Amino acid sequence: EIVMTQSPATLSVSPGERATLSCRASQYISRHLAWYQQKPGQAPRLLIYDASTRATGIPDRFSGSGSGTEFTLTISSLQSEDFALYYCQNYDNWPPLTFGGGTRVEIK
Amino acid sequence: QVQLQESGPGLVKPSETLSLMCTVSGYSIGSGFYWGWIRQPPGKGPEWIGTIYHSGTTSYNPPLKSRFTISMDTSNNQLSLKVGSVTAADTAVYYCARQEGGIFDVWGQGTVVTVSS
Repeated sequence: EIVMTQSPATLSVSPGERATLSCRASQYISRHLAWYQQKPGQAPRLLIYDASTRATGIPDRFSGSGSGTEFTLTISSLQSEDFALYYCQNYDNWPPLTFGGGTRVEIK
Repeated sequence: QVQLQESGPGLVKPSETLSLMCTVSGYSIGSGFYWGWIRQPPGKGPEWIGTIYHSGTTSYNPPLKSRFTISMDTSNNQLSLKVGSVTAADTAVYYCARQEGGIFDVWGQGTVVTVSS
C-alpha cells in the first residue's frame, strides 16, 4: 500500500498570505494525485487532480505541482473561506486508494 | 447535476450488521462512472472502503474486504454498503461518492454511524 504523508499537520497563515502544503508518497505515483478541501461538518471537495489540474469551479488561487513522490498545493492569497482541512489522495495503480493524514490551515 | 444522499440507522450495536444506502439523482448509475464508499473516523482522515463499477464489479480496500459488501440497484438508482460484525472502530462518517477513475469528484453529505451498546 502506498502511504501518503502530509506536512505540516497545522499551518498558521494570515489572510492574504500564501500557503504551501506538502504531500509525499511512499513510492512513485507519477502525477496520479488529487487534493481535497474539507470544512467542518462537510464532505471533502475536489480541488485538484492529476497533480495540477483544477477541478470545475475552483478558483485559480489554488494550484498544484509535483510528480513522482513529492507534491505541493499552493494557495496564493488566503481568503477567509480557505481556512479548512486539506487532504491529498493517491490513485496510482489502485486498489487501494489512499489518503494523507491532512493539513489544517488555520488563521494566524 | 448529479447528487448523492446517504442514509442509515445512525446507531448500531456491536456485532450487528450495518446497512447504508446511497441514493443518486441526476445520473443513472448503470450508465457509467465508478461509485465509491469512503469513511472518516472522528478526527481522522478519509479511508477508502471500496468501489463498484457501473457494470457491477467491485473492488475493496484489502484490510476491509472481509466484512464489507457493496452492491447497486440500478432500478432504484441506489448504492448499498453492508458492514458485518461492527465494532467501535467502525464509528465514522460514511460517504458515497462518484468516481472518475480513482478521483472522487462528487460526494454525498455523509451519514454518521456510531457503534455502541
